[in-house]
Amino acid sequence: DAKTTQPTSMDCAEGRAANLPCNHSTISGNEYVYWYRQIHSQGPQYIIHGLKNNETNEMASLIITEDRKSSTLILPHATLRDTAVYYCIVRVRGAGNNRKLIWGLGTSLAVNP
Amino acid sequence: EAQVTQNPRYLITVTGKKLTVTCSQNMNHEYMSWYRQDPGLGLRQIYYSMNVEVTDKGDVPEGYKVSRKEKRNFPLILESPSPNQTSLYFCASSLAGSSTGELFFGEGSRLTVL
Repeated sequence: DAKTTQPTSMDCAEGRAANLPCNHSTISGNEYVYWYRQIHSQGPQYIIHGLKNNETNEMASLIITEDRKSSTLILPHATLRDTAVYYCIVRVRGAGNNRKLIWGLGTSLAVNP
Repeated sequence: EAQVTQNPRYLITVTGKKLTVTCSQNMNHEYMSWYRQDPGLGLRQIYYSMNVEVTDKGDVPEGYKVSRKEKRNFPLILESPSPNQTSLYFCASSLAGSSTGELFFGEGSRLTVL
């Protein structure tokens, strides 16, 4: 079962910031939060990940609450090409040191002109 | 260009006819994995491999086989496909040495079993 809860869908105006929330209240201390996105049925694309601290890269920012029970992915200036399904994932350590991502159903973000 | 390449991208086959979906990566990654994606279920891991000759089952391995004879290749084998294996399949790879390594995904292989 997925360890995260996300809204099913969201809308955002082009040029505005898109803020995608994620709840992961059962996350363990050494489990990372990852964000991926999937455009149409293409292969998922890595966006960003974090453990405790906020993170920023060229694509997005990740804000993790102090208690680590939730996080927000921020796309600072959304474009039409950011329309995709966004997955918030907790990475657990599976059997045999497997780097296991538990995928939920994600948030379908629609960026509108 | 760094990439994960899957073939075929689309395939329609019939029940029981063995098939192989190939996966190749050019990033010298140790870790490789196969996922299937079905509506309403998200991505589920089929098999994974930590390195050459090391493979293990994921969450939904039934009906599938894999092999890892070379670092770059990780084929998915369906010995006797059935209609419930109709799905969108993704291969992924990452640096195993990095505990936080991102997964790189292929473009997917859409399989239909009649």
